[in-house]
Amino acid sequence: EAQVTQNPRYLITVTGKKLTVTCSQNMNHEYMSWYRQDPGLGLRQIYYSMNVEVTDKGDVPEGYKVSRKEKRNFPLILESPSPNQTSLYFCASSLRAGPYEQYFGPGTRLTVT
Amino acid sequence: AQKITQTQPGMFVQEKEAVTLDCTYDTSDPSYGLFWYKQPSSGEMIFLIYQGSYDQQNATEGRYSLNFQKARKSANLVISASQLGDSAMYFCAMREELTQGGSEKLVFGKGTKLTVNP
Repeated sequence: EAQVTQNPRYLITVTGKKLTVTCSQNMNHEYMSWYRQDPGLGLRQIYYSMNVEVTDKGDVPEGYKVSRKEKRNFPLILESPSPNQTSLYFCASSLRAGPYEQYFGPGTRLTVT
Repeated sequence: AQKITQTQPGMFVQEKEAVTLDCTYDTSDPSYGLFWYKQPSSGEMIFLIYQGSYDQQNATEGRYSLNFQKARKSANLVISASQLGDSAMYFCAMREELTQGGSEKLVFGKGTKLTVNP
């Protein structure tokens, strides 16, 4: 089944404790992306990757890191999480940049206390 | 300035009626595209429809159609014959090419919550 998977689905952590949210797709997609969704703000792009080893900042990259060492994986790293990073996070992928729909993962609900 | 503006935080429609969800955008790039996504209360994001800036005809997908008015920079979603299952958040999004044939990012609007009444 074609899908984007994210782990964990739910996470409660404390300020400053490094964490990684994994994202994997099995569709051989080139373009991958991370978003955060906050009430009243819609989805905002954190980072995106056009292909392996090519990543770039979205609109809200501060406090986040990403890497794209393999085509299928695009982990999101929070080196020192803070309460303002409490949010719902979505990973998404598409065939490539262009007129192609984004396939979204199920989301990761992160709470930082 | 917001790149994508959805002016209707909430909309109500009677079952079986049509509804239009508004989306205006701001870009100076000649090449761009507009997406609409649906997010039911269960949380997943579902692709509905896409319109490219060079597409001559308005996009349609089943009960969904996109009223694309390029000069007005609007890309409104029209849902015909609303169903109870259409109750959800709807997001308009724009893809922007940052370099020709190269980098591209997506910008989403804040969403419209649609409620379909029986």
